[in-house]
Amino acid sequence: EVQLVESGGGLVQPGGSLRLSCPASGFTFSSYWMSWVRQAPGKGLEWVANIKQDGSEKYYVDSVKGRFTISRDNAKNSLYLQMNSLTAEDTAVYYCARGPARANTFDYWGQGTLVTVSS
Amino acid sequence: DIQMTQSPSSVSASVGDRVTITCRASQGIGSWLAWYQQKPGKAPKLLIYAASSLQSGVPSRFSGSGSGTDFTLTISSLQPEDFASYYCQQANSFPALTFGGGTKVEIK
Repeated sequence: EVQLVESGGGLVQPGGSLRLSCPASGFTFSSYWMSWVRQAPGKGLEWVANIKQDGSEKYYVDSVKGRFTISRDNAKNSLYLQMNSLTAEDTAVYYCARGPARANTFDYWGQGTLVTVSS
Repeated sequence: DIQMTQSPSSVSASVGDRVTITCRASQGIGSWLAWYQQKPGKAPKLLIYAASSLQSGVPSRFSGSGSGTDFTLTISSLQPEDFASYYCQQANSFPALTFGGGTKVEIK
């Protein structure tokens, strides 16, 4: 059974930093692209970043470029998101997702972790 | 970036109704479209990929169609467990995979 379990969310002040983690199990982690997708309260889904199987390619939505860094540790079967210079607009539930996978979809998702940026 | 527009933003329906949700892309995306279901407080779940292919384990009452810029998700006979929000996602412009704004299916 595929499992993705996010952690690391919480309340942070504007300008602060957080690091999200997502250990994966139930599949060969090193064989898949992995992504972070976020959802602001009451809003829709927004792709944030993704990373190739070996970490050699990383892509970000424009709004987080230069502030967020996606990374992975295939030996630990884990995905990470380092978030710096956080603003209120980054407040959201952050989901770890497997993919882009078949047909460029996100076929498995974690339960999400809430990041709240507020003073 | 490719923009995805869903309509309606919400729909009220009864159990047994046929429900259709549309998704329009700002430019042609072939059949590179997926649909997701999201229940309150839960993660999204992949329903359909490549515009019309049903993900394993998804009931056959869900179907997708369309190509180019216009797509539809149809629930042939709405069940109580289908009351949720539905999102389309364009899968054409890798790596920037954008979502529609969502459609909430509510109980009438």
